[in-house]
This record gives sequence, structure tokens and C-alpha cells, in this order.
Amino acid sequence: DTGVSQDPRHKITKRGQNVTFRCDPISEHNRLYWYRQTLGQGPEFLTYFQNEAQLEKSRLLSDRFSAERPKGSFSTLEIQRTEQGDSAMYLCASSLIFYEQYFGPGTRLTVT
Amino acid sequence: TQLLEQSPQFLSIQEGENLTVYCNSSSVFSSLQWYRQEPGEGPVLLVTVVTGGEVKKLKRLTFQFGDARKDSSLHITAAQPGDTGLYLCAGQRGTGNQFYFGTGTSLTVIP
Repeated sequence: DTGVSQDPRHKITKRGQNVTFRCDPISEHNRLYWYRQTLGQGPEFLTYFQNEAQLEKSRLLSDRFSAERPKGSFSTLEIQRTEQGDSAMYLCASSLIFYEQYFGPGTRLTVT
Repeated sequence: TQLLEQSPQFLSIQEGENLTVYCNSSSVFSSLQWYRQEPGEGPVLLVTVVTGGEVKKLKRLTFQFGDARKDSSLHITAAQPGDTGLYLCAGQRGTGNQFYFGTGTSLTVIP
């Protein structure tokens, strides 16, 4: 099965540290999305890539967050100077048909 | 303020009962999706609806998109314990690339 994969699945870090998450989309999917989900809520859009171009970013995405998708393949999401409020599940999704997104299992971040 | 409001937020029913989950907004969506999510996992796409008034069936699940494309419903017939999970609706406005997720409905089906 070559679904969307994310690494790591869990990350515990201390406040102020930087963290980086990786997402490997389904191979032929040119669209890639990052979301953040807190307990009891639906996912919240963070950013969108079409191939290697980052075409949309949420206004809620602070300057401490940055995402890349070099060569239009895998993507990374980096959070600098983590804060306790960054604790959440970070989800990656990819799609070929625009409105059919396939999600990875997520990375659970805990900031202590 | 959430763009898509789901109701009810929590639902606990006995196996064999029917249920309906609602997804409402004051905004018009060009497409709307329903997902199911299990604890610790990512959402899994169930269906996409794009036409106002559209009805889609997936085994015991029936999805409807409102005529004005502002709301949707998910009806489950004869619920089973395997239907337990968090049901999420998500919509796309216009030609934008951003998808807005609802607040979620947590369903528990008791054997």
C-alpha cells in the first residue's frame, strides 16, 4: 500500500526547540496539504502546494511555521521556537483530483 | 467562528438504530466532502458531493448536498459498532484551494 506516510508519528519536544515533520504523498499526486488538528476539533488548513509551488498559506500560520516541497515530491513542515500552543496533530494530505484528499496518519506533537 | 457547523457534536446510539448528522453553513460551497476519522489516525474520505441536491449512497450511508450548496447531511441506516468514529464534513469555496472542516460529530455505536 503506497498511501500517504508521515514521519515521525509522535514527537515530544521542549518549549523553544525547533521541530521538523516529513510527509511523503502518494507518488502521482501533485497537490499536497498540511493541516493542524487539536483535540475535539476538525482539521485546520495550514498550507497548500501544487507540485513544488506553495500556492496558499493560512493567515493563521505564524512566521515560526515554514513548509517546503522540494522537487514536488515529499514535503517538510518546520516549527521554530515551539510553544505549548503548538501541541496538536499535524496532518498531511495529498490529492490528484482536486477535492479528493487522502490523509496520512499524522504526527502528534507534544510541547512540554 | 467555524465556517461549517456540525450537529450533533456527540451521538451515542444502540446498534441497529438510524441516525443523521448535519453539516451547516451560511456560505456556499462548490464541493463538500465527508470523512471518518478514528483515534490517532488521519481522516478517511467517504464521499464527495458537488451538485446542489445531489444524493449519494455508500452501502448503509446516504449523503445529501443541500439545494443551495450550503449544507449537507449524512444518514446511517442500521448503525453498527464499526461505524464508531469522528465524522467530519469539509468544503471548498469557489475555486479556492483551501478546505474548511466542520467541528466534527463523534459517533459511538453500542453493541
